[in-house]
Amino acid sequence: EAGVVQSPRYKIIEKKQPVAFWCNPISGHNTLYWYRQNLGQGPELLIRYENEEAVDDSQLPKDRFSAERLKGVDSTLKIQPAELGDSAVYLCASSLTTGGTYEQYFGPGTRLTVT
Amino acid sequence: AQSVTQPDIHITVSEGASLELRCNYSYGATPYLFWYVQSPGQGLQLLLKYFSGDTLVQGIKGFEAEFKRSQSSFNLRKPSVHWSDAAEYFCAVGTNAGKSTFGDGTTLTVKP
Repeated sequence: EAGVVQSPRYKIIEKKQPVAFWCNPISGHNTLYWYRQNLGQGPELLIRYENEEAVDDSQLPKDRFSAERLKGVDSTLKIQPAELGDSAVYLCASSLTTGGTYEQYFGPGTRLTVT
Repeated sequence: AQSVTQPDIHITVSEGASLELRCNYSYGATPYLFWYVQSPGQGLQLLLKYFSGDTLVQGIKGFEAEFKRSQSSFNLRKPSVHWSDAAEYFCAVGTNAGKSTFGDGTTLTVKP
């Protein structure tokens, strides 16, 4: 079974430029998460989808970040414009919410460097 | 709101020695508890989880963890560490609404 796929793995951009990250979850997983992981810290949730619906986006900086999950499968996270402080690893995870356990499976992440 | 504290930022152990990584959580209801491991440049891999029942849970790679409600702890243990266990370890607490909160991690170094 294929795991969570993310692309690109690495991205270097100049500040004020746009950037997009893509995630394909494990087949059949209805819940998808985007996290940001700063150096030396744990992942912090940006947005959580249940199927197509964003059920928790309280930590998403909506002035510059946007996300979509069309058809309830893969998802895209966008930053426009990027700032120096956005440099981090962006992790995607998915889970199958059977029994409400929300056991998450993570992709390898996208390391973003903003210069 | 829930929170997780991992008091040890960095731990060094000798290969073959035992290991215990500490995790304390704060949550008003019965938590779901997880330990993940992250190798450099990789995503997080689930080591083990606690949802209910037996408070001593077994995971992959020879790890185990014990849920102690009275101490709000979920410490990770391994009786004999291998060099390949060097990585960063994250404890997480989850709710039945699907929200997980992670600690800031403990970096494990294994000495030969």
